[in-house]
Amino acid sequence: AQKITQTQPGMFVQEKEAVTLDCTYDTSDQSYGLFWYKQPSSGEMIFLIYQGSYDEQNATEGRYSLNFQKARKSANLVISASQLGDSAMYFCAMREEGNFNKFYFGSGTKLNVKP
Amino acid sequence: DTGVSQDPRHKITKRGQNVTFRCDPISEHNRLYWYRQTLGQGPEFLTYFQNEAQLEKSRLLSDRFSAERPKGSFSTLEIQRTEQGDSAMYLCASSIPGQGAKNIQYFGAGTRLSVL
Repeated sequence: AQKITQTQPGMFVQEKEAVTLDCTYDTSDQSYGLFWYKQPSSGEMIFLIYQGSYDEQNATEGRYSLNFQKARKSANLVISASQLGDSAMYFCAMREEGNFNKFYFGSGTKLNVKP
Repeated sequence: DTGVSQDPRHKITKRGQNVTFRCDPISEHNRLYWYRQTLGQGPEFLTYFQNEAQLEKSRLLSDRFSAERPKGSFSTLEIQRTEQGDSAMYLCASSIPGQGAKNIQYFGAGTRLSVL
């Protein structure tokens, strides 16, 4: 089974609007971490936000917030007030207690911000 | 701090040739990771070093692939007898030890390999 599933290959959003990128995960570990990375066309993976499985509050980092629903095993990324520079690939990733050195990535969502 | 540096950024080679990529991690990051990313997919874990010790290798890392980190600083990834299926982006990441699940990996811009 896929560890990380991102069901939206591509998304469009109007500049200044909010957008939600979906991510579901599969693990039987109690302790795990969820991450979102941004990959612009230059190729570098840029860390955006982290959510721990025991964190009771949703993580926020500036315009990024993570909508963590543990029972549904979902960790959706919300970008508020989209900017043209937000156009990129976005990857959801997970690290499990069984092996904290190994990331599992989803297949990504291509976000296009329209002016 | 400078970020993770990878060289070259692009490599075009003919099938059957050997190639070597280099990764310089963020200074004082003792953990180093290699990933492979094919078109339209997320990165896939290849291998991981803590200092100079290679502690884990994925089954994706066939015997044509070898990675080293001789002095616990930079790392090299060599592919021997390249095949067209090796065409991909090879990403390197580094991190500090500890922090459990929150340990953040910082990535370089990758080396894009094209095997003709």
